[in-house]
Parts: sequence; structure tokens; C-alpha cells
Amino acid sequence: NAGVTQTPKFQVLKTGQSMTLQCAQDMNHNSMYWYRQDPGMGLRLIYYSASEGTTDKGEVPNGYNVSRLNKREFSLRLESAAPSQTSVYFCASSGTPRGGSYEQYFGPGTRLTVT
Amino acid sequence: QQQVKQSPQSLIVQKGGISIINCAYENTAFDYFPWYQQFPGKGPALLIAIRPDVSEKKEGRFTISFNKSAKQFSLHIMDSQPGDSATYFCAASPRTVNFNKFYFGSGTKLNVKP
Repeated sequence: NAGVTQTPKFQVLKTGQSMTLQCAQDMNHNSMYWYRQDPGMGLRLIYYSASEGTTDKGEVPNGYNVSRLNKREFSLRLESAAPSQTSVYFCASSGTPRGGSYEQYFGPGTRLTVT
Repeated sequence: QQQVKQSPQSLIVQKGGISIINCAYENTAFDYFPWYQQFPGKGPALLIAIRPDVSEKKEGRFTISFNKSAKQFSLHIMDSQPGDSATYFCAASPRTVNFNKFYFGSGTKLNVKP
């Protein structure tokens, strides 16, 4: 049971290049999320998928697209990378409620640098 | 504009001392308040959480105090240990049908000196 896995762990891109960050969970969770973490800003929600087949914008969606490929996988795409997208990206998932609330389980993160 | 304000940004505490981290929010629709702990190079992990129908929740050395009227909540770490050194994030979520949409604070880096 790996939980939430993310690939790659590290990536360096040049401005204008594109890439896709991959995320998969093996907990049979319905909901998945993409966050970015920047110093002094905490974690900010980029996009989320409340259930398979749906996606919605979070706080900072500009410059990103997502695909909920199936129940397990949720990918984040940068079409034309910019230096402002240098960040650590976390994927999370949530499923069965515990105590009436939906704990989010986070992956190990992808550290992206755009030069 | 950050929906959850967290302070302090960093905190140094001696081993055995009490660590206190504070958060404040404005949105009265928030009804779930978790705290996450993050070690370097790892993803955040849920530490403890509270709903606004109680004023305090304790799990071992960790306690959340919640003041609904002031729209503030805080994390207290009693008998702080060097192993508690990590970054702590508060968060808040409005009630939704089948998932939580979290708004995170900016984080507090805790350093517990031996």
C-alpha cells in the first residue's frame, strides 16, 4: 500500500517548456487535489477533483491544466512553464470520512524549477 | 488574500517547553480545522483536527484550542521534543457534501532545542 505517489521527484524546465506531473493513489479515494507550496505562502490549491469525471479550479489555477484519468490518477500539466511556477507541488487524496471529515493524504512532492 | 492567517512564522522552543501556534480566519462557513505537520522533504500529514462545536481537543501532547466567537484557533505542543521540529500548517474547510476544500495558513517552522 504505497498511499499517494508522485513522479517525478525533481524537474528542471526552461521557460516555455511543457511537462506533466503524475499522481496516483491506491487507497480507493474519490477526491484528489493538486497544491503548490511556496515559502511564506503555505499550500495553495491549484485544482481539485471531487470525484472521478469532475475537476474544478482552486485558488491559483492560471497556467495549469488537470486530467482525472481514472479514479486512481490525477495529472497536472504546465503547458508553457514560467519562472513563477517554480515551486514544490503536492498531490493529495481523500476518501472515506473519519469523524465526519475527509482527511487529506499527501504525496512526497515534486520540486520544480523553471529557469 | 489569505483566508487563514497563521503566526508566528518561526518558533524556537527549549526541550520540555510549550510551543504555541496561532491561526485566525474570517469565513464563518468554515467548519473543520485541521493541523498538519511536515518534515523536510516530506508531504504534510494530519496531526490533529477540530470542529467548531467543541472548544478544545487533546491528543497526547498536542491540543487544539478553538474560540468560535473570535474566529481563532491554536495548537499547543506540551513538553516539546526535538523530534517535534517540523513545519506546522493550520487549515480550514467549509462543509461540503463529500470532500474537504482546504485553505492553509502560511506555516510555522518549529525548532525545538535539546
